[in-house]
Amino acid sequence: DTAVSQTPKYLVTQMGNDKSIKCEQNLGHDTMYWYKQDSKKFLKIMFSYNNKELIINETVPNRFSPKSPDKAHLNLHINSLELGDSAVYFCASSQGQGAWEAFFGQGTRLTVV
Amino acid sequence: SQKIEQNSEALNIQEGKTATLTCNYTNYSPAYLQWYRQDPGRGPVFLLLIRENEKEKRKERLKVTFDTTLKQSLFHITASQPADSATYLCALPTDGGSQGNLIFGKGTKLSVKP
Repeated sequence: DTAVSQTPKYLVTQMGNDKSIKCEQNLGHDTMYWYKQDSKKFLKIMFSYNNKELIINETVPNRFSPKSPDKAHLNLHINSLELGDSAVYFCASSQGQGAWEAFFGQGTRLTVV
Repeated sequence: SQKIEQNSEALNIQEGKTATLTCNYTNYSPAYLQWYRQDPGRGPVFLLLIRENEKEKRKERLKVTFDTTLKQSLFHITASQPADSATYLCALPTDGGSQGNLIFGKGTKLSVKP
């Protein structure tokens, strides 16, 4: 069973489009995250959710919006896609806030053309 | 601002040797530090967590040290194997430790040759 699963694995789209990436975790964790890994391989936090509430929103463009229908899901919506949004996006979860290991999904490679 | 440096982008060693990876940080006093492994096309996988009051932690062939005075962590893989070849990431909590959001280093790509 996959602990943290993301769909789709690959996403190619044109500039200006709106797209969503879905994430689900079956670990019963309270906290979920979205990370972005750019072409230079830096992994950066974008959002985190704890018990369905946004607890921190790093300085990402407001074109990006996380949506959590329930504790097991955290989807990422991106409006008006730009070339610079091309990256690998990782969903992750942890048992709680603080010193817990993070479990990552396999990533979604987004390419904006 | 907080900064994490993994001082080697790549490390090549012979099978059976000990690999030592370094993580340095500045402008920061984290409550803990984590190490992850990332294989190509995959998400990071957690390896070890060490807290600020712990000097050393071990798990099978892995050993992590945490020196809060030097602001440095060392990650060792003993008796390395080709299967250990991967990128290893050091991670620290963004806020010191209360929320769990992590800052990652750029990683060190380890290649173990048979």
